[in-house]
Amino acid sequence: QLVVTQSPSASASLGASVKLTCTLSSGLSKYAIAWHQQQAEKGPRYLMTLNSGGTYVLGDGIPDRFSGSSSGTERYLTISGLQSEDEADYFCQTWDNGIHTFGGGTKLTVL
Amino acid sequence: QVRLVESGGGVVQPGRSLRLSCAASGFTFSTYAMHWVRQAPGKGLEWVTTISPGENYEYYTDSVKGRFTIVRDSSKNTVYLQMSSLRAEDTALYYCARGGTTVVSAINWWGQGTLVTVSS
Repeated sequence: QLVVTQSPSASASLGASVKLTCTLSSGLSKYAIAWHQQQAEKGPRYLMTLNSGGTYVLGDGIPDRFSGSSSGTERYLTISGLQSEDEADYFCQTWDNGIHTFGGGTKLTVL
Repeated sequence: QVRLVESGGGVVQPGRSLRLSCAASGFTFSTYAMHWVRQAPGKGLEWVTTISPGENYEYYTDSVKGRFTIVRDSSKNTVYLQMSSLRAEDTALYYCARGGTTVVSAINWWGQGTLVTVSS
């Protein structure tokens, strides 16, 4: 079962760091994911691909304030030096043999 | 520069059909998997369908199987989503997205979306 779970909301202060979590269903510990950002009233933007070993590749133009890491079935997105434009919804995506699924998204508020 | 431009959205009655188009540019279209992803008002992203680079394989979420068909035309660098027997719950912003060179890869580019409203 391809299930991906995210906390609905998170918040952090301007200039601080925040770590968002994407939890894969059991048995998916070897699966890679992608992180996507969606600012208010905009289309999604691809941030990175992250594998089970914690290696990540940033998308074109994505600043290195964004990083990824992994542990077991959990995949993390860390944003350092938070800026106001980082306030957005963050979605993780995974896939299995052509079937794809998204987590429900985490709404990040920058205080 | 990669560009994906969707068109074809609109208001349609339940039970009717609609075809969405996505014109791609800035990359070798035929060698990439292509996806449609939708977002109902106020909701999250929902994967709808994927077509492989070689047009050999198509994948669908269960709720659209038998009603939606994804097709790609590499001569026009365009991917289509043919939607039939539309339901109110199909109302959403439909995004075209590019994957990798296989279907087992991340979505790595998004279009801006086209709105489909199913209503009588």
